[in-house]
Amino acid sequence: QVQLVESGGGVVQPGRSLRLSCAASGFTFSNFGMNWVRQAPGKGLEWLAVISFDGNEKYYADSVKGRFTISRDNSKNTLYLQMNSLRAEDTALYYCAKDQGSTIAEYGMDVWGQGTTVTVSS
Amino acid sequence: DIQMTQSPSSLSASVGDRVTITCRAGQSIYTFLSWYQQKAGKAPKLLIYAASSLKSGVPSRFSGSGFGTDFTLTITSLQPEDFATYYCQQTHSTPLTFGGGTKVEI
Repeated sequence: QVQLVESGGGVVQPGRSLRLSCAASGFTFSNFGMNWVRQAPGKGLEWLAVISFDGNEKYYADSVKGRFTISRDNSKNTLYLQMNSLRAEDTALYYCAKDQGSTIAEYGMDVWGQGTTVTVSS
Repeated sequence: DIQMTQSPSSLSASVGDRVTITCRAGQSIYTFLSWYQQKAGKAPKLLIYAASSLKSGVPSRFSGSGFGTDFTLTITSLQPEDFATYYCQQTHSTPLTFGGGTKVEI
């Protein structure tokens, strides 16, 4: 079945780095754009980044631009989020989500993982 | 950045009620709007895309409408499983932005 499984979350000190992974299965990963979305405890959804099917286009939210990097390895059906210079306000549940259509984000995100928790604390 | 404003932030309703949630964009996004449902402790689920297209498998009591800056999500005859938080998201341009959410409670 179509599935996304995030991993790599944990507790990290402010200023440190963390890399999240999202393993995809059940669909042709290399045909779709992919996103990262986060949700701070008790808060709403915040879109963070999107990458095109081939990795050539990447876009970011202002809150993470310059600190986070989205990437993908289509040979491994895996999406990544490299998070540097982490701050307390980056504490959240991080989801990866698949674009429904072939054009970046145009038709929403139709498959979501279960999320991985990142806690930034000293 | 395009700001998305949802209203109300929460509402109380009963099974069988008709519920309408509004989402307003800070500028025209044509029909580049999606709606998601999120139940407690679960990942969001895509309900509506392109403002009014129902995602396959989503019950027909859900519908979306709107164009430009004003959009609505309507649930006709609310069911027990519909109590959740609903989010709109503009997909017109990056950074993609979500509305603040509407919690539908009993």
